[in-house]
Amino acid sequence: GESVGLHLPTLSVQEGDNSIINCAYSNSASDYFIWYKQESGKGPQFIIDIRSNMDKRQGQRVTVLLNKTVKHLSLQIAATQPGDSAVYFCAVANYGGSQGNLIFGKGTKLSVKP
Amino acid sequence: DGGITQSPKYLFRKEGQNVTLSCEQNLNHDAMYWYRQDPGQGLRLIYYSQIVNDFQKGDIAEGYSVSREKKESFPLTVTSAQKNPTAFYLCATRLAFSTDTQYFGPGTRLTVL
Repeated sequence: GESVGLHLPTLSVQEGDNSIINCAYSNSASDYFIWYKQESGKGPQFIIDIRSNMDKRQGQRVTVLLNKTVKHLSLQIAATQPGDSAVYFCAVANYGGSQGNLIFGKGTKLSVKP
Repeated sequence: DGGITQSPKYLFRKEGQNVTLSCEQNLNHDAMYWYRQDPGQGLRLIYYSQIVNDFQKGDIAEGYSVSREKKESFPLTVTSAQKNPTAFYLCATRLAFSTDTQYFGPGTRLTVL
């Protein structure tokens, strides 16, 4: 089955710097990928998603990169702000196969220093 | 959170009691999910429902039960058989089972006294 791993459980950056959060997955058949942001005591908030037919997708201050060759996913946050402090986690699905559920990573806690 | 409500926000239970967590949505989404989140852990799937009057067990269904009598509602009962129920419980919805992302509610924190 699918497993989703994390490169770093915590990340500390200076306000204004760019942040990069990484995620690895195991199933090469995975075809849908999502990044969520979760603030303390709240439910996860959708940030951005990407399908396996794309390598890159950009949103407002965020970019998701997908490298299917090494089964790696990253979230880049430009000009990180204190409000970006939260836990970020990726989720992976294989919608083309029989398993339509998401598999979640454990999350990276991002701390932004003023 | 928009369109997904969970109640109560905090819930305290004595050992041996059953408690029911509410999840309501007005997004007209077909699929609904219940997850459990423990500190430092990823989300674990308890139960999910693709359509009304149908639901399936997830990875950690033991000690939990659900119903899906209405499209808008997917309540979760934590029974006394659940050995370690203290956790943060999250409800999520998706437009259809095999498409698009899942959107989460604000969560219910359950504590067993």
